[in-house]
Amino acid sequence: NAGVTQTPKFQVLKTGQSMTLQCAQDMNHNSMYWYRQDPGMGLRLIYYSASEGTTDKGEVPNGYNVSRLNKREFSLRLESAAPSQTSVYFCASSEGPLQGARIGTEAFFGQGTRLTVV
Amino acid sequence: AQSVTQLDSHVSVSEGTPVLLRCNYSSSYSPSLFWYVQHPNKGLQLLLKYTSAATLVKGINGFEAEFKKSETSFHLTKPSAHMSDAAEYFCVVTLPWRGKLIFGQGTTLQVKP
Repeated sequence: NAGVTQTPKFQVLKTGQSMTLQCAQDMNHNSMYWYRQDPGMGLRLIYYSASEGTTDKGEVPNGYNVSRLNKREFSLRLESAAPSQTSVYFCASSEGPLQGARIGTEAFFGQGTRLTVV
Repeated sequence: AQSVTQLDSHVSVSEGTPVLLRCNYSSSYSPSLFWYVQHPNKGLQLLLKYTSAATLVKGINGFEAEFKKSETSFHLTKPSAHMSDAAEYFCVVTLPWRGKLIFGQGTTLQVKP
């Protein structure tokens, strides 16, 4: 069972470069998320997609764009990387609110992408 | 608005002693609450979840948490710490129709031999 798969696992970028983080889930989940994790700040939501074809901003969307390519895949793009975007990025998925507003929906996380911008 | 506060950024215990990781939440509605664990350089794993079925929730690896509405708390406990419990723990709140997770800042658990 693959669950949530992120690529790459590690990346070093120069300031101003662009890159796309890929995420795919095989659990037929409706909702997908991108978080960044920084020391002492927990995980902060960058963007999320409640269902295929929709995306919404989270707490810290500036400097990022996303694409919900299909139900399985949700990519995160940095158009012009900055040192402040050095972080660990996590993709997650859940059944989401469209499954009859089921309570207790848990999220499943990928292994993370460690990004350094120099 | 909903939020979650983990009261300790770092907790240190000796192996074999009890563990208490504290979490308070604020929510205008009945929340769902979760505890996730993250071992070094790993992803996040669900420990347990509260969904209003029972106030005392049992999770994996001997952890449990009690939902106390009057105190707006969801503290995580374990009777006896093991070295393998050393990790970062996150308390998380969500509203079902929003489908978004709000994370606390995290608590690092250190277990001393």
